[in-house]
This record gives sequence, structure tokens and C-alpha cells, in this order.
Amino acid sequence: GAVVSQHPSRVICKSGTSVKIECRSLDFQATTMFWYRQFPKQSLMLMATSNEGSKATYEQGVEKDKFLINHASLTLSTLTVTSAHPEDSSFYICSATRGRDRGRSLQFFGPGTRLTVL
Amino acid sequence: AQSVTQLDSHVSVSEGTPVLLRCNYSSSYSPSLFWYVQHPNKGLQLLLKYTSAATLVKGINGFEAEFKKSETSFHLTKPSAHMSDAAEYFCVVSGVRNTDKLIFGTGTRLQVFP
Repeated sequence: GAVVSQHPSRVICKSGTSVKIECRSLDFQATTMFWYRQFPKQSLMLMATSNEGSKATYEQGVEKDKFLINHASLTLSTLTVTSAHPEDSSFYICSATRGRDRGRSLQFFGPGTRLTVL
Repeated sequence: AQSVTQLDSHVSVSEGTPVLLRCNYSSSYSPSLFWYVQHPNKGLQLLLKYTSAATLVKGINGFEAEFKKSETSFHLTKPSAHMSDAAEYFCVVSGVRNTDKLIFGTGTRLQVFP
């Protein structure tokens, strides 16, 4: 159990376009989802925390108008990279928790989405 | 504030020899600590976690880690490396108290030679 999927796994787009990435919890209800960004050969940096039905909380330095997050249901969160530029090219990873024990819940990670902006 | 330091960016071992990946943490409260593994272009897989129970934690694939409060360390070990262990390993500490935020270390790339 506790499987998280992401779609698409890989996307290439032109500069100036917007790209939507989906994160789904397949076999559990995710009260909280997290979005991370990973640059090549670097660690994961938390971008934002998303709770179902409420606005996402963004980490310092992350542009909320650039990276739109929607957590419409307990099994789906989306990240939209608006007006993408080459510097937005990265590996985007989501995770989800069941939220039964806040502060101790395990995060289950999706396989990631590689975004390349030309 | 919470932080985690992985002391080695790269570790190379021969197949069948022991593995040691070092991690030190800093925490203002009793932390949860994790080790995750990431194979190329794959998602993160949890190897093991420490949440204030037994200090020696056994994980999957023969890995284990020992929580040492006096040394603020949580090193990952395996008695005998396998070729399939070659991957990126992340030491992770719980972030803000009473949230599920995680703070990731910079990662250690493990190479296993035949």
C-alpha cells in the first residue's frame, strides 16, 4: 500500500508555456502533499506544502505565482509551472502523508517528473 | 533549527565489503530520522526510520542505522555491499515540530565495484 504516482514522468516544453504535473495517492487518502524540486546531482528542496481544500504554504524563495499548487481532493494535487523558462528545468517530486499522526507521519514519494524547458 | 549533514558526497566500495554512509544531525527537539535511497530516474524509497524507539534500526535490503544522541549521528551501514546497492542515499531529519516537513541532506553517491 501507500503508492504515489506522478504524471507525466517526463515533459519537454517550449519557453513561455505552462506545464501541469499531477500527483496522486493511489490507495490512501492524503491529507497533506509536498512538492520538492531536485537539481541534477543535488538534494531535494521543499517547495510547498499542500493541504486538501486549503491554499498551499510555500517555502521562502518559492514564487507562488510561478508555481501554482492545487489540492482539489484527498487523492490529487497538481503543480502548474506557469510561463516556464529554461531555469525551471528540473526534477519535480511529490510526496503524500496519511496525516494520522502529525509530526510523525511517513511521507510516501512519487517517482518524479523531469521537466525540460527549451 | 533542524539540519542534517552527510559527510561524504561519494563512497566507493567493492562488492561484498561493508558499507558506511555517515550522517550527522542537528535538532532542537527529539527528531525523527530517515534514510532514503534513490536509484537513477526513480522515486525515493525508504530504507529505514528512527522515531525514538530502539536506537539500532534495521531496514530493508540488509541496511541498518544507529541513532547516537551523544554524537548526534545516524550512520547507515550494511555488512556486505551488493552491486544493486549503487545509488544515491539521503539522510533526512524531521523539520518543523508537529509538522511532517522533512529536511534532506545533500546525498551520498554509493558506487559498488565488482
